[in-house]
Amino acid sequence: GNSVTQMEGPVTLSEEAFLTINCTYTATGYPSLFWYVQYPGEGLQLLLKATKADDKGSNKGFEATYRKETTSFHLEKGSVQVSDSAVYFCALSAGGRRALTFGSGTRLQVQP
Amino acid sequence: DSGVTQTPKHLITATGQRVTLRCSPRSGDLSVYWYQQSLDQGLQFLIQYYNGEERAKGNILERFSAQQFPDLHSELNLSSLELGDSALYFCASSVASTDTNSPLHFGNGTRLTVT
Repeated sequence: GNSVTQMEGPVTLSEEAFLTINCTYTATGYPSLFWYVQYPGEGLQLLLKATKADDKGSNKGFEATYRKETTSFHLEKGSVQVSDSAVYFCALSAGGRRALTFGSGTRLQVQP
Repeated sequence: DSGVTQTPKHLITATGQRVTLRCSPRSGDLSVYWYQQSLDQGLQFLIQYYNGEERAKGNILERFSAQQFPDLHSELNLSSLELGDSALYFCASSVASTDTNSPLHFGNGTRLTVT
């Protein structure tokens, strides 16, 4: 079946530090890959996506590249801000099923 | 604001009871998804409806059921509640059923506490 594995959190960084959150997946066929972000008390919001190998998704300074050879979709940001503090979820959609399979989420805390 | 509305925001009930969670999808979206978020299980897909019909089933218990009405709103019914059912229940919507390029839009969730 499909599955997503994310690095354990929490990740605590100082403002302006470089961020990497690792995500690897197992899926049948060629999945679409997503990163969602959940701020406290809110639902999940789509952060970025990539639908085929070597695609790079980007939004708000965050980037992730679809690596088929390593089945990975790591999230990166060059300089984090306090406002980036949230829980980040990696997810995939595969096999014609629109329902997403999520990773366990990684909590990011950015300190001033 | 995602445009997806979930009510109520909080629900506290006792074991053995039954509750109904409601979701209104974003205007124009035909597909509705229900997810359960708990500390030990993470985000689990429960069920999907598209234009009133069940389209996909995930890890939904037999005690749980859902439906999507002609006006496209959806209800998730949870019965014979157990302590372990305490969780955040999210509804999401999307335009299409199988188009993996169209994103899911999530509501803010209903927090269910079973005592």
